[in-house]
Amino acid sequence: AQSVTQLGSHVSVSEGALVLLRCNYSSSVPPYLFWYVQYPNQGLQLLLKYTSAATLVKGINGFEAEFKKSETSFHLTKPSAHMSDAAEYFCAVSVNTGGFKTIFGAGTRLFVKA
Amino acid sequence: NAGVTQTPKFQVLKTGQSMTLQCAQDMNHEYMSWYRQDPGMGLRLIHYSVGAGITDQGEVPNGYNVSRSTTEDFPLRLLSAAPSQTSVYFCASSIHSPEQREQYFGPGTRLTVT
Repeated sequence: AQSVTQLGSHVSVSEGALVLLRCNYSSSVPPYLFWYVQYPNQGLQLLLKYTSAATLVKGINGFEAEFKKSETSFHLTKPSAHMSDAAEYFCAVSVNTGGFKTIFGAGTRLFVKA
Repeated sequence: NAGVTQTPKFQVLKTGQSMTLQCAQDMNHEYMSWYRQDPGMGLRLIHYSVGAGITDQGEVPNGYNVSRSTTEDFPLRLLSAAPSQTSVYFCASSIHSPEQREQYFGPGTRLTVT
């Protein structure tokens, strides 16, 4: 069965610093991987997705993620944090089995300091 | 397009009461799902549907029922509310396709069971 582990429930960075949010997955078949963002009191929005085309995926708001099969990782990065990036981020995996079920990680809350 | 809508936004129930959380989407998506979000646990799949008349269980289905009589609507029923069902509930929809399975989320329903 597939699973997702997000390392670090809270990450704090200074404005302008690199953002790195870690995600490792487990899947016995080729996965589809996603990062979603949740702003306070809102639903989740898609940031980016990996669907086996390019291993480096660019998303919205300057975020990108790299799929590394050998490390079973899909870490999310942004070169320069902005105050508006403060939110909770979820990594998710979906596989080609009954119904394309998607499993979410526990989430990482990003704090951005001025 | 309104996207995915959920009602109510907030609800307080007493133990043993029943209620239905409503979810509707206007994007003609075949796939719809219900998640619950609890602190430190990410989103956990309750039930999902791949089309009208077809539903299946997710990770945490106990205490919840669903039905899918139309493509647009996917209500979640709590049969006899328990304090353990206090949570934020999200409905999501997506195209049921191997290449386009990113989900669109509603704004959520915050449920408290006393």
